[in-house]
Amino acid sequence: AQRVTQPEKLLSVFKGAPVELKCNYSYSGSPELFWYVQYSRQRLQLLLRHISRESIKGFTADLNKGETSFHLKKPFAQEEDSAMYYCALSSSGGYQKVTFGTGTKLQVIP
Amino acid sequence: DVKVTQSSRYLVKRTGEKVFLECVQDMDHENMFWYRQDPGLGLRLIYFSYDVKMKEKGDIPEGYSVSREKKERFSLILESASTNQTSMYLCASSPLGLAGYNEQFFGPGTRLTVL
Repeated sequence: AQRVTQPEKLLSVFKGAPVELKCNYSYSGSPELFWYVQYSRQRLQLLLRHISRESIKGFTADLNKGETSFHLKKPFAQEEDSAMYYCALSSSGGYQKVTFGTGTKLQVIP
Repeated sequence: DVKVTQSSRYLVKRTGEKVFLECVQDMDHENMFWYRQDPGLGLRLIYFSYDVKMKEKGDIPEGYSVSREKKERFSLILESASTNQTSMYLCASSPLGLAGYNEQFFGPGTRLTVL
């Protein structure tokens, strides 16, 4: 079974402060991991994916297989980063089932 | 631009009614998904389909069924709506390919209230 855990329901930071949204996973195979974001009144959309090793809007995420984590980080939070963030895991074979975490609401205080 | 559309943004139904939620995507994606989104519970997978007429149960299929007669359309059916099915329902699609690249594209959601 695959599982994604986001321990924080709400994370409040001041503008300009560093951000770290935690994500831990459980999966027996080789995981494919994603971060999705939902801004107020907008659709859920992909923020970044592990396989691309990209930085999007200043956010990065590193897969740590030893700690089974995929934390999302940004060095300096902006007000426009306020949103709901979901970590997701896709199974690498078969039907590519995707499991989402419970989400973390990021609130950036001006 | 990938478009995933859902038939209604808001829906109010009565307990016991049969409810149909429709989802259409225009990018020829093989995979389609239905989730429900509840505060504190995140997105939970109800059903998914990887091809026409094919379906797989997700994590919470009880009380729901699905239909995929055409590649672009995936319907979620509540056979007899109950109040605990009041929720936001999200449809998504993704192409079949390398798992690491199978980004899901989401619809705007349908907020269903069962009275």
